[in-house]
Amino acid sequence: AQTVTQSQPEMSVQEAETVTLSCTYDTSESNYYLFWYKQPPSRQMILVIRQEAYKQQNATENRFSVNFQKAAKSFSLKISDSQLGDTAMYFCAFMNGGSQGNLIFGKGTKLSVKP
Amino acid sequence: DAGVTQSPTHLIKTRGQQVTLRCSPKSGHDTVSWYQQALGQGPQFIFQYYEEEERQRGNFPDRFSGHQFPNYSSELNVNALLLGDSALYLCASRSRPTMNTEAFFGQGTRLTVV
Repeated sequence: AQTVTQSQPEMSVQEAETVTLSCTYDTSESNYYLFWYKQPPSRQMILVIRQEAYKQQNATENRFSVNFQKAAKSFSLKISDSQLGDTAMYFCAFMNGGSQGNLIFGKGTKLSVKP
Repeated sequence: DAGVTQSPTHLIKTRGQQVTLRCSPKSGHDTVSWYQQALGQGPQFIFQYYEEEERQRGNFPDRFSGHQFPNYSSELNVNALLLGDSALYLCASRSRPTMNTEAFFGQGTRLTVV
C-alpha cells in the first residue's frame, strides 16, 4: 500500500522569505503522480502544483517549485517570496497511475507566514 | 462558473442516526469522489462514483454508502453514526476518472456526532 509522510507538523516563515516543506512517500509503482494541495481556513483544497513521476524536470508554478527525488521517494515544496496569503495547511498527495483518481494524502504541515 | 458545491456546510447529529451529505460537481465534470478528513489529519478516500456506479472504494465500512444521479451530483450516506464519524467530509470532482485531470474540491461539510 502506498503511504505519504509529512514530518513537519508546523512551520513558520517571515514574509518575503523562502520555506521548504518536506514529503516522502512509499510505493512500488512506477507510474504515479504527486501533488501539493493548500487548505486555507476556508477548508477548500486548492491544487498548488503537480508532478508526473515519469518527468525528470521539477515542476514550477510561479513562486512554488518542487524538488522531486524519485530514487529517494522525496517530494518537497519550496515557496519563494512567502506571502501572508500562503498561511494554510499544506498536504502532499500521491496518486497511482492506475487508481482512477484516488488521492492518498499525508497528515499535512501547518504553515504560518509572519509579517 | 460555480465550482464544487456541498451542502449543508455544518450539521450536528446524534449517535445512531443517519445522515445524507450532498455534492454538486463543477460544471463539465462527471466523476465525484468523497473524502473524510478527521481533525488534524489528511483526507482519506471513501469512494468514487462515475456513470452512477461506485468505481472504487477506500477502507470504510458498509455504513458509508453513496449514490450518483444522472446530472452527476452525488450523495454520501452514513448510517448508525458513531462519535468517530465526526469529521470534515470533502467532495471532489473531475471530468473523467483519469489521472490527467485536476480534481476540484468543495468546501466540505463539517459533521459533528454527539
